[in-house]
Amino acid sequence: AQSVTQLGSHVSVSEGALVLLRCNYSSSVPPYLFWYVQYPNQGLQLLLKYTTGATLVKGINGFEAEFKKSETSFHLTKPSAHMSDAAEYFCAVSDQNDYKLSFGAGTTVTVRA
Amino acid sequence: EPEVTQTPSHQVTQMGQEVILRCVPISNHLYFYWYRQILGQKVEFLVSFYNNEISEKSEIFDDQFSVERPDGSNFTLKIRSTKLEDSAMYFCASRRDGSYEQYFGPGTRLTVT
Repeated sequence: AQSVTQLGSHVSVSEGALVLLRCNYSSSVPPYLFWYVQYPNQGLQLLLKYTTGATLVKGINGFEAEFKKSETSFHLTKPSAHMSDAAEYFCAVSDQNDYKLSFGAGTTVTVRA
Repeated sequence: EPEVTQTPSHQVTQMGQEVILRCVPISNHLYFYWYRQILGQKVEFLVSFYNNEISEKSEIFDDQFSVERPDGSNFTLKIRSTKLEDSAMYFCASRRDGSYEQYFGPGTRLTVT
């Protein structure tokens, strides 16, 4: 069974500042890891994913995340926040045996001008 | 770009009534999912569906729930006798064969009064 913990339900950053969203997972088998973003009144949109290979993965809108097996982490970063990054972000895990997603509780990002 | 659609966007129903939530997955996708998010809680997996049968279901998905693909395009979630605790946002997702990525719809907000 898999589970995901997202540290911090709310993050507030200044425009242009670093965005760092933390995600730790537990999984009994090698995980597949995902970050989804949800803008108001919209569905969940995939930002990026890790399945195999390079542990630093780049996604859309300038986001990237690094899979660290030793730390069981998959933190999401963006060097410079933009006002349009204000949204809710979800970390999720699945495994190679089934594809159902287990989600974290989500982190709401607000960007200050 | 193809997208998953869901109707209605908001459904209000009285306790004990039946509701049907509708989803139109992306046309060449073969795997379908329902998730729900109770306000303030995590997104939770309900059920996965492939080849006209349930692949996996969570403990939430009891006898009150059913899914169906009545034609070549729709994928429905039925709740036979709604309870107050069924109030949540329900997300449909679909996935094509050979991909790990699930595409999510915008959700249906179900309010049971």
